[in-house]
Amino acid sequence: AQSVTQPDIHITVSEGASLELRCNYSYGATPYLFWYVQSPGQGLQLLLKYFSGDTLVQGIKGFEAEFKRSQSSFNLRKPSVHWSDAAEYFCAVGAPGGSYIPTFGRGTSLIVHP
Amino acid sequence: GAGVSQSPSNKVTEKGKDVELRCDPISGHTALYWYRQSLGQGLEFLIYFQGNSAPDKSGLPSDRFSAERTGGSVSTLTIQRTQQEDSAVYLCASSSQTGGHDTQYFGPGTRLTVL
Repeated sequence: AQSVTQPDIHITVSEGASLELRCNYSYGATPYLFWYVQSPGQGLQLLLKYFSGDTLVQGIKGFEAEFKRSQSSFNLRKPSVHWSDAAEYFCAVGAPGGSYIPTFGRGTSLIVHP
Repeated sequence: GAGVSQSPSNKVTEKGKDVELRCDPISGHTALYWYRQSLGQGLEFLIYFQGNSAPDKSGLPSDRFSAERTGGSVSTLTIQRTQQEDSAVYLCASSSQTGGHDTQYFGPGTRLTVL
């Protein structure tokens, strides 16, 4: 079975600073990987996903993530954070050819200081 | 088009009462998921419906929890004899399920408070 770890519970950045949110997974082969964002009182929205091809994935709202097989990681990045990016971010991993039920990490809360 | 909708948005109940939570998925989506999100926790998978197949109930925490999906569309999650530890946000998601990398579309959730 697959698993996913988000090591950081909270991350605080200043507006305009760069951002990297960490995600590590455990799976025996190349997994499907997702990043979702949850704004307060809202459901989750997909930012980006990786399932094959180019390991650098571009998403919405200026986010990108890079799949690194050697590090079992799929870290989310943004070059310049906006105050509206303050939210909860979830990494998820799915198993190709297996269950269609992705496993979600515990989330990282992003706080943005003006 | 319309997204995933859930009702009610908030539900306050007394311990021991039964509650029903409703999810309307995106039209045409064959897959439907229920998750539970407790304060400060990630998403806990509860149950998965795919088309006419038998649902995957492996995430249901106890036999007090059940769910059904009528006509391959609307789903209802029922919690019997609610306990305080059932207090959480219950999220529903649907997807087109053409492959395991499908995007899940989430509803806004139902916040359940058990007094």
